[in-house]
Amino acid sequence: AQRVTQPEKLLSVFKGAPVELKCNYSYSGSPELFWYVQYSRQRLQLLLRHISRESIKGFTADLNKGETSFHLKKPFAQEEDSAMYYCALSGSNYKLTFGKGTLLTVNP
Amino acid sequence: NAGVTQTPKFQVLKTGQSMTLQCAQDMNHNSMYWYRQDPGMGLRLIYYSASEGTTDKGEVPNGYNVSRLNKREFSLRLESAAPSQTSVYFCASTGAGLEAFFGQGTRLTVV
Repeated sequence: AQRVTQPEKLLSVFKGAPVELKCNYSYSGSPELFWYVQYSRQRLQLLLRHISRESIKGFTADLNKGETSFHLKKPFAQEEDSAMYYCALSGSNYKLTFGKGTLLTVNP
Repeated sequence: NAGVTQTPKFQVLKTGQSMTLQCAQDMNHNSMYWYRQDPGMGLRLIYYSASEGTTDKGEVPNGYNVSRLNKREFSLRLESAAPSQTSVYFCASTGAGLEAFFGQGTRLTVV
């Protein structure tokens, strides 16, 4: 079975502070991992994927197969980063599983 | 450039009533999904269709049925709605790149 765990439901930081949103996964094969973001009253959209190894809006995420983690990081949070963040795993037969999400609030 | 279109956007049902949520994508994607989003529960997979002609259960399929009508359309049916099915429902699709594109959601209330 494939599973995605986001241990923090809520995360609150001040503007300019570093932020790390945790994601752990369980999957027997080689996973395809993603971070999606949902801004207020908008539909979910892709933030980044592990295979591209790119930085989007200052966010990065590294796949650690040993720890089965895919944490999302940003060195200096901005107020516009406030949103719900979902970690997702695409596994066998294109099954796409999401974590429960972390609501990030960046305070001024 | 519609992407993924869901209808309706809002719906109120009485317990026991039935309804079908419609979803269509115009990106020629093979895979389509139905999720429900509840506070504190994140996105839970109800059913998905890896390709035209196939459907599979997700985490929470009970009380729902799906139909992959063709490559574009994937509908979700509630045969006998229950208050526990009050939720926001999202349809999504993925292509070869595996990036998921989402519809705008359907807010369903069962009273």
